[in-house]
Amino acid sequence: TQLLEQSPQFLSIQEGENLTVYCNSSSVFSSLQWYRQEPGEGPVLLVTVVTGGEVKKLKRLTFQFGDARKDSSLHITAAQPGDTGLYLCAGENKLVFGAGTILRVKS
Amino acid sequence: NAGVTQTPKFQVLKTGQSMTLQCAQDMNHEYMSWYRQDPGMGLRLIHYSVGAGITDQGEVPNGYNVSRSTTEDFPLRLLSAAPSQTSVYFCASTGTETYEQYFGPGTRLTVT
Repeated sequence: TQLLEQSPQFLSIQEGENLTVYCNSSSVFSSLQWYRQEPGEGPVLLVTVVTGGEVKKLKRLTFQFGDARKDSSLHITAAQPGDTGLYLCAGENKLVFGAGTILRVKS
Repeated sequence: NAGVTQTPKFQVLKTGQSMTLQCAQDMNHEYMSWYRQDPGMGLRLIHYSVGAGITDQGEVPNGYNVSRSTTEDFPLRLLSAAPSQTSVYFCASTGTETYEQYFGPGTRLTVT
């Protein structure tokens, strides 16, 4: 059983569309990270959220940490082919990872 | 500043063989960890270390050994390789304030 559940597992969209992926848990985390991984490479950290209700923006990516610090979301505006990859969330509770969301953005 | 380095990048073993996956970091991080990544299962923690001389088991430690003689190096040893250990292995080094992890490029291991 995954401590962190990510949804959806797969997402295929057209360039220019908006999307949201989710990371949910029944556990409380003091911090949560989002990573992007491209084929053949290691995950690369995008953002860390530490405060309940926190919203962080990274260009077209918006990250939100739930008020109860049990869940998080990643919203991408006007997706581009370069956003294609595996998006992983991870919580600091023994550094547990979700299974990830595979995003494919078609041009 | 190379970050986290891993060698080899690819490896093929026969069942029963042993080998060591190397990992080094130059960020002076105390916390290092090893993960395996399998399709549909995300990253699963194998072993981790909170500092030189200290190691502990993660979620899937069976069949693997680690040691941490220096802050920089954290090798992972497969004692007797099995096909179930076919996977991609990632080493990570972690900052201490917000648990931000820096990953190596990975080792793709195939056991036949």
